[in-house]
Amino acid sequence: GESVGLHLPTLSVQEGDNSIINCAYSNSASDYFIWYKQESGKGPQFIIDIRSNMDKRQGQRVTVLLNKTVKHLSLQIAATQPGDSAVYFCAERLTQGYSTLTFGKGTMLLVSP
Amino acid sequence: EAQVTQNPRYLITVTGKKLTVTCSQNMNHEYMSWYRQDPGLGLRQIYYSMNVEVTDKGDVPEGYKVSRKEKRNFPLILESPSPNQTSLYFCASSYRGTSSYNSPLHFGNGTRLTVT
Repeated sequence: GESVGLHLPTLSVQEGDNSIINCAYSNSASDYFIWYKQESGKGPQFIIDIRSNMDKRQGQRVTVLLNKTVKHLSLQIAATQPGDSAVYFCAERLTQGYSTLTFGKGTMLLVSP
Repeated sequence: EAQVTQNPRYLITVTGKKLTVTCSQNMNHEYMSWYRQDPGLGLRQIYYSMNVEVTDKGDVPEGYKVSRKEKRNFPLILESPSPNQTSLYFCASSYRGTSSYNSPLHFGNGTRLTVT
């Protein structure tokens, strides 16, 4: 929604640049991670996911990197387009008997033409 | 088209007046959940349901109720809304459990609720 972007860190890039959005997760036992994109006025949209036994996964124009040593996740967007402007946030899943999904607060990506 | 549908998109109400936000999914998902999203706080889970007639509290359940009588529907009920429940609400569903590899959580487009 329109207030989602308030108080968020912002990454500003030019159209055509590559973007890297970072996320620090909290629990070393988390076994699964997801990146979501949220455009103004819309719900979060799934981009890409990765299991904890992987360190890299590629999609169409996007790559997720997982560094378990430092509990860090990144989303790389190649050839960023104005339509990529949105809030991006990561989520981690922790399974201890039952699963819980914890969401990061997000990063606003602004792409200039 | 596979989707999660919430209604209404916008709702303004007064303190104490009972309301229901509907949520329906057409993907035959077992798991459904409600979240609220507030600036600076991110998404917080209100209630979730692992399957029909199975519901459980999330992180912020106070002041909310849910029901899961059918697989496709998961309404959120505010029996006596208060101004601190003014927020952006999202319903979500997934095939099984709290997301799994290649079966992530799908979200609706949100309901913006204002309680005066």
